[in-house]
Amino acid sequence: EVQLVQSGAEVKKPGESLKISCEGSGFDFTSYWIGWVRQMPGRGLEWMGIIYPGDSDIRYSPSFQGQVTISADKSISTAYLQWSSLKASDTAMYYCARRYEDGYLLWGQGTLVTVSS
Amino acid sequence: SFELTQPPSVSVSPGQTARITCSGDAMPKKYGYWYQQKPGQAPVLVIYQDTERPSGIPARFSGSRSGTAVTLTISGVQAEDEADYYCQSADSSGTYYVFGTGTKVTVL
Repeated sequence: EVQLVQSGAEVKKPGESLKISCEGSGFDFTSYWIGWVRQMPGRGLEWMGIIYPGDSDIRYSPSFQGQVTISADKSISTAYLQWSSLKASDTAMYYCARRYEDGYLLWGQGTLVTVSS
Repeated sequence: SFELTQPPSVSVSPGQTARITCSGDAMPKKYGYWYQQKPGQAPVLVIYQDTERPSGIPARFSGSRSGTAVTLTISGVQAEDEADYYCQSADSSGTYYVFGTGTKVTVL
């Protein structure tokens, strides 16, 4: 089955670091761009950035550049989104999605990140 | 950066037609995409490249373009179509992507 499976929900304190994952299966992970999308509680979708696991080419939204790090390990078909120092405002649902043309057809189930003291 | 603007809400009676328009500066150069998101679920792509429908998406969903705006039309709206809808496109250089502000469709 072609799918993206994301890591489980996280509860963290401000200032802590975090790395969440998105594992692809059923397709050649190195041949598709994988994007990350944020959805804050009760808010809309925000495009964060995208990576091509085949050569680790990465592009960030200007809004997220320097705030998060996107990476991938093609040997295990997994993309990552990480923070070095979380803030309360990072509380959100995070989705990974596989690019199709200039859109996103295949989505992960989402990872809920809660940052609270 | 660029922005994509949508109406915050649209209300429609069952069986009627709902139309959602999305406009933005980059629209003349890049295709528009539409997503449906129901509460607690991941988004679902319903229209790609302005007018194309992915496999499994009902024919009542259609897309069109006019100048700098793209439109999602839901014909013969059903109760199950009640959801948030987002447009999405790429910037003129194709370097990054943006989602629209989102439209809540309410079926009366």
